[in-house]
Amino acid sequence: DIQMTQSPSTLSASVGDRVTITCRASLSISTWLAWYQQKSGKAPKLLIYKASSLESGVPSRFSGSGSGTEFTLTISSLQPDDFATYYCQQYNTLWTFGQGTKVEMK
Amino acid sequence: QVQLVESGGGVVQPGGSLRLSCAASGFTFSNYGMHWVRQAPGKGLEWVALIRQHGSEYYADSVKGRFTISRDNSKNTVFLQMNSLRAEDTALYYCAKDSGEYSGFDYHDFWGQGTLVTVSS
Repeated sequence: DIQMTQSPSTLSASVGDRVTITCRASLSISTWLAWYQQKSGKAPKLLIYKASSLESGVPSRFSGSGSGTEFTLTISSLQPDDFATYYCQQYNTLWTFGQGTKVEMK
Repeated sequence: QVQLVESGGGVVQPGGSLRLSCAASGFTFSNYGMHWVRQAPGKGLEWVALIRQHGSEYYADSVKGRFTISRDNSKNTVFLQMNSLRAEDTALYYCAKDSGEYSGFDYHDFWGQGTLVTVSS
């Protein structure tokens, strides 16, 4: 099974900050990686697929990078609507999610 | 627009059974794989099962042998039959659409709002 490890688990930031979340895979997954945003009480929302492709309608302040085993999600300038929990997911071999990163207000 | 509406959740005793449904609309249902993903209270996301367009099934180890995914393409509905339920199966169960047309091994591009399953005596 492929394990996904996100860091940090919690991130405290202010509006306007540049935020970076890291996701590591236990085996190489090429670029078969997606990122989701989940707000409290809501279903997850797709942000990024194939490691760096922005889903239609997602603001351009979100970007993804990486390949193999190391990936990052970056929010270039954090907005009030971005305080949420973020999950990475590999879809190279079945599907596995990271444990999540909660972005909270500093 | 794509809509996924789950139903069938509730409270069940350990060892009991429950059948979840997910009604889909807004896309050609028969061309896409469909997933179930769950989230225990206060925890992260866990993939549960996939059924591809023509019916092949895949399961997480944690539910293999106890859960069965199925679909009715004539009714645009996917099901999850859950047997031998355990306390650790307590979760919000989401239905999610696979993004890959004719594929069924991609990411999840649309999600329902979930249905809550509570396993408790």
